[in-house]
Amino acid sequence: DAMVIQNPRYQVTQFGKPVTLSCSQTLNHNVMYWYQQKSSQAPKLLFHYYDKDFNNEADTPDNFQSRRPNTSFCFLDIRSPGLGDAAMYLCATSRTLQGAVSDTQYFGPGTRLTVL
Amino acid sequence: QKEVEQNSGPLSVPEGAIASLNCTYSDRGSQSFFWYRQYSGKSPELIMFIYSNGDKEDGRFTAQLNKASQYVSLLIRDSQPSDSATYLCAVTTGPGNNRKLIWGLGTSLAVNP
Repeated sequence: DAMVIQNPRYQVTQFGKPVTLSCSQTLNHNVMYWYQQKSSQAPKLLFHYYDKDFNNEADTPDNFQSRRPNTSFCFLDIRSPGLGDAAMYLCATSRTLQGAVSDTQYFGPGTRLTVL
Repeated sequence: QKEVEQNSGPLSVPEGAIASLNCTYSDRGSQSFFWYRQYSGKSPELIMFIYSNGDKEDGRFTAQLNKASQYVSLLIRDSQPSDSATYLCAVTTGPGNNRKLIWGLGTSLAVNP
């Protein structure tokens, strides 16, 4: 089945120790998104890629970086995790239809990050 | 600041009843409207989307959109305990290929057996 896969599902790191979360998709979608979601809050968009074009949200801290080496994979790097970065990190994808981005987003299962 | 507002709940309904979830949004330019279901500790799962004014039905779910009132709702008929979850409303904002979703905080639904 076509899907969005995130690894690992659970990640524990220490304060200040860099961590990388990965997302892969078999949907062949052009657009990939990274969200951060904390308990009882709405998903917060960090950035997205339209093909190789990177779009950063204005309020995304510099501590968060992303890479998309090819269509299928996207990575979220947290350079120096703080306690406030503990959250669920969600990867989502959407496709283009006749040159326009479809608004429908499909989510992976998420990675739960714990910072000690 | 573009916003999406939902009652946080919890909304509690008995099994078999109709659950009605509501959402208002501030951006008159929004074109697409989504309902996602999210179980505790899980990722959002798309339930329905609607683009045009009126009703859209899919099984036990009906989405209703009124752009003039900037209001979108989700009705769940014959509610089941497995419907107990948080329901997130999301609407589009922004131009062209930089269009993105603005999310509500979600309404918690509890269906009691």
